[in-house]
This record gives sequence, structure tokens and C-alpha cells, in this order.
Amino acid sequence: AIQMTQSPSSLSASVGDRVTITCRASQDIRNELGWYQQKPGKAPKLLIYAASSLQSGVPSRFSGSGSGTDFTLTISSLQPEDFATYYCLQDYNYPYTFGQGTKLEIK
Amino acid sequence: QVQLQESGPGLVKPSGTLSLTCAVSGGSISSTNWWSWVRQPPGKGLEWIGEIYHSGSTNYNPSLKSRITISVDKSKNQFSLNLSSVTAADTAVYYCARISSTSSYQNWFDPWGQGTLVTVSS
Repeated sequence: AIQMTQSPSSLSASVGDRVTITCRASQDIRNELGWYQQKPGKAPKLLIYAASSLQSGVPSRFSGSGSGTDFTLTISSLQPEDFATYYCLQDYNYPYTFGQGTKLEIK
Repeated sequence: QVQLQESGPGLVKPSGTLSLTCAVSGGSISSTNWWSWVRQPPGKGLEWIGEIYHSGSTNYNPSLKSRITISVDKSKNQFSLNLSSVTAADTAVYYCARISSTSSYQNWFDPWGQGTLVTVSS
């Protein structure tokens, strides 16, 4: 199975900060990666698919980039509602695998 | 707007079978989508369980494959998960989700059900 490694595992930041989360795949997955946001007690929410395509309705402060093995999720200016856990998910081959998550906390 | 809703017992005895159903509303399960199950143990990360197409074709996570059955009921517009021989390690929130795809086979999971907690305990 393809292993997805996210970094950092946790991150403290302030409202207005620019934040970057990275995800590294154990093999080339082209651009077949998505980013999901999860708040406590809630289901994950799709933010980005195909590495850089913004899901409809998601604020433009979220962006994704990368291909091959290295990917990033960037939040350009943190808002209070962005404090959550973020997961990457590779859909290049089976079994689909998630990163371990990055918990974004308020500084 | 498609919505998904999981249902099933919240408590299952060890060695028993976990059975959950995901009802699809606002759209047809016979659309060109795959339908998936994902789980999350308390305080831990997400694990993909498997998926099904309306034709009945399935793909399963090898780590669970010997214990999983995912089925579809087109007449009820729903799909189901059976996980046999459960242990405490199967205690988790179980989510169902729709998988959409581009023409280049990039996939994404959206929407998701709200999730249902299943506890394995005697």
C-alpha cells in the first residue's frame, strides 16, 4: 500500500497567518491526491481534489499544489473557522490511503 | 443535493458481525459514482474500508478483505457494509461517502454521511 506522510503532525498558528501543510507519498501518485478538513465530531469535508482543484464552495484562501510524491495545502490567511485537522488522501491506486492528519491549533 | 445517512446498531459483541447501511437521498445510487465506507477509531486517523459500484463491483482494503462484504440495494437506493469477526479494534466512527471521478480518473470523496459510532464490546 502507498504510504502517505503528512507534516507537521500538529501546528499552532494565529488568525491571519499563512500556513502550509505537506504530504509525501511513498511512490509516484501523479496528481491523484485530495485534501480534507475535519472538525471535532464532524465528517471530513473535501477541500481540494486532483492536487490543485478547489472544490466548489470552498474559500479561495485554500490552495493545493504538487505532483508525483510531494504535495502541499496552503491556507493564505487563517480564519477562526479553519482550526481543524487536515488529511491528505491518495486515490492513485488501491487501497486508498490517508495521511495521519495535521491538527491546526490556535496559537 | 445528494445526502448520505448511515444507520445500524451502535453496539456489537466481539466475534459478531457489524452491519451498517448508508441511505442515499437527492440522487440515484445508479449514477456514475462509486460508493465507499471509511472508518475512524476514536482519536485516530481515517481508514478506507472499501467501495461499490451500482453494478455490484467492489474494491476492498486488503487489511480487511477477508472480513468485509459491501453490497448495494438499488431498489432502496442504499448500500451496506458487513464486517465479520469483530474485535475491540473495530470500534470506530463509520462514514459512508460518494466517490466522484474526472475523465482522467482523479477521484474525490464528497459528500459524506455524518458518521455513526460502532462500539465492539460485550
